[in-house]
Amino acid sequence: EAGVAQSPRYKIIEKRQSVAFWCNPISGHATLYWYQQILGQGPKLLIQFQNNGVVDDSQLPKDRFSAERLKGVDSTLKIQPAKLEDSAVYLCASSPPLAVVQETQYFGPGTRLLVL
Amino acid sequence: QKEVEQDPGPLSVPEGAIVSLNCTYSNSAFQYFMWYRQYSRKGPELLMYTYSSGNKEDGRFTAQVDKSSKYISLFIRDSQPSDSATYLCAMTDSNDYKLSFGAGTTVTVRA
Repeated sequence: EAGVAQSPRYKIIEKRQSVAFWCNPISGHATLYWYQQILGQGPKLLIQFQNNGVVDDSQLPKDRFSAERLKGVDSTLKIQPAKLEDSAVYLCASSPPLAVVQETQYFGPGTRLLVL
Repeated sequence: QKEVEQDPGPLSVPEGAIVSLNCTYSNSAFQYFMWYRQYSRKGPELLMYTYSSGNKEDGRFTAQVDKSSKYISLFIRDSQPSDSATYLCAMTDSNDYKLSFGAGTTVTVRA
């Protein structure tokens, strides 16, 4: 079974530029998550999708971050404009339909973003 | 105060030693407790999962939960260099299953 795919793996941009990350979840997984992991910290949930719909985006900085999941499969996370404090690893995770908590989430390798 | 506190280490042990990791938390509603392992440049992967209080053993790994003290532990017996990674604790309540992570403890097992 193929895992969660993310691209690009690394991105370096200057502040005030925009950037987009892409995630392809495990086939058949209905729930998709985007996390931000700042160096030395645990992942922080930015947004959770259930199929096409947003379940939780309470910690997404909506003035600069946006995410979409068209057709309930792939997802993109965008930052516009980027700030220095956005430097982090952006992790995508997915979980199967009707997952109980112990089915938990399968994480991709992440995209490392450096904002200069 | 953070919802989940975890000593970031780093922790360096010789091969064969017992590794002891722990987290404390403040939210008494947490019911499900997990340990994730994260290798360098990789995403976290689930290592152990425990519901409510008690112990769970899986090979060389033992997870313990003490809800009365709001304290969870992970023990790694007979540690191997391949156990070198960052270990993240995570927990959630029974309502929305949103995970709250600790900061992670970086462990190095020296051959």
